[in-house]
Amino acid sequence: GAVVSQHPSWVICKSGTSVKIECRSLDFQATTMFWYRQFPKQSLMLMATSNEGSKATYEQGVEKDKFLINHASLTLSTLTVTSAHPEDSSFYICSASGQGARTGELFFGEGSRLTVL
Amino acid sequence: RKEVEQDPGPFNVPEGATVAFNCTYSNSASQSFFWYRQDCRKEPKLLMSVYSSGNEDGRFTAQLNRASQYISLLIRDSKLSDSATYLCVVNIGGADGLTFGKGTHLIIQP
Repeated sequence: GAVVSQHPSWVICKSGTSVKIECRSLDFQATTMFWYRQFPKQSLMLMATSNEGSKATYEQGVEKDKFLINHASLTLSTLTVTSAHPEDSSFYICSASGQGARTGELFFGEGSRLTVL
Repeated sequence: RKEVEQDPGPFNVPEGATVAFNCTYSNSASQSFFWYRQDCRKEPKLLMSVYSSGNEDGRFTAQLNRASQYISLLIRDSKLSDSATYLCVVNIGGADGLTFGKGTHLIIQP
C-alpha cells in the first residue's frame, strides 16, 4: 500500500525555538496533504489542508503564522512550528491522499511527538 | 451536539469474545464512513470502509444505519492484538470533509 513517511518521530526543543516536521509520500503523488494534531486522549484535530503549489487552508483557531505549511512538491509537505511553547507539545500527524485514492482513504505518516520544554 | 460521537470506553473484553461498538454522526449529508485503528502512540490506519449494504472482512463486520445515523463495528473471536483505539471517521463531502471521532479504546484480556 501507499506509504507516507514523517520525520522526525520525536523532537524535544526549548521554548522559543522553531521545529520543522517533514511529511513525504514515498510511492504516490500526494495532491492533498493534511496536518493533524492530537493531544492525549483526544481525537485527531485537523489543523490545515494543503494542496501542492498553493497556500494551505487553515482550520479555525489555528494560527497560520505560527504553523507554517509548505507543500512545494507532490511528495513533500512541511510543517514548521515557529517559536514553540510548552502548550504546543502534542502529537502531530500528516496524512495524504493521492490520485486514484478513494474519498476518505488517507495514508498517515508515523507521527511526530513534539515536547517543548 | 458533536459531529461524530463514540463511547470512549475502555471496553475490557476477554479473548475470544465478540465485541461491538457504535458511532453516531450528526450530519445527515455524510457521504462515506470508515473505521480506522490507532495503536498507542502510532498513526491511524484504515481498518475498513463502511458501505450501505454492510461489509465484512474476516472477523470484522461494519454496518451503516442511515436512518438512525450510526455505524457499527463488530469484532468476532477477539484476539489480544485487537487491543487498540478504533476511530470512526465520517466524510461529509470533499477531500477535506473528514471528521474523526475521539475513538473507542478496546482492551482484549487474556
